Amino acid sequence: AQRVTQPEKLLSVFKGAPVELKCNYSYSGSPELFWYVQYSRQRLQLLLRHISRESIKGFTADLNKGETSFHLKKPFAQEEDSAMYYCALSGSGNTGKLIFGQGTTLQVKP
Amino acid sequence: NAGVTQTPKFRVLKTGQSMTLLCAQDMNHEYMYWYRQDPGMGLRLIHYSVGEGTTAKGEVPDGYNVSRLKKQNFLLGLESAAPSQTSVYFCASSFGPGVSLHFGNGTRLTVT
Repeated sequence: AQRVTQPEKLLSVFKGAPVELKCNYSYSGSPELFWYVQYSRQRLQLLLRHISRESIKGFTADLNKGETSFHLKKPFAQEEDSAMYYCALSGSGNTGKLIFGQGTTLQVKP
Repeated sequence: NAGVTQTPKFRVLKTGQSMTLLCAQDMNHEYMYWYRQDPGMGLRLIHYSVGEGTTAKGEVPDGYNVSRLKKQNFLLGLESAAPSQTSVYFCASSFGPGVSLHFGNGTRLTVT
């Protein structure tokens, strides 16, 4: 079964501290993984995708096929990073549909 | 460009009432999706469409129907609303598989 698990509902850190939001997936094929972010009162938007291997707003995520993980990391958290973060997996077939994890709320305290 | 627009933004229904949520996109996207967002459950796919005139069931389709008569519009219908359908509904669209989904602002629906 295709599944995405984000084990932490809430992650609270202080400004300047490192951040790691965990994401594990279950998928039999070659996965396409994404991180989406929803800031307060804004629509859900793409943060990054594993295939691009890019860094957006200081965030990076590496696909680890051995551990079936796609954790999101940032070395120094900023207050403006406070938001809800969703990990998502592109399902099989050419439908483009995404399977989302439960979401993690990141709270960066001053 | 407005992107993806959802109407209405908020709605309160009584059990048994019906309503239609409208999603409109002006990006000429082929693929459109309806998700519901519930606390602790993330986003779950209700129905989706890979082109005008096509629809397919997602993960949680029961109690909902959809139509895609025009490429730019994707309608989600609730024929007989139930309290379990209280949720935030998100519409999204994309050019195709493997590319970013563009989301609307959501519709907050309460069924009493």
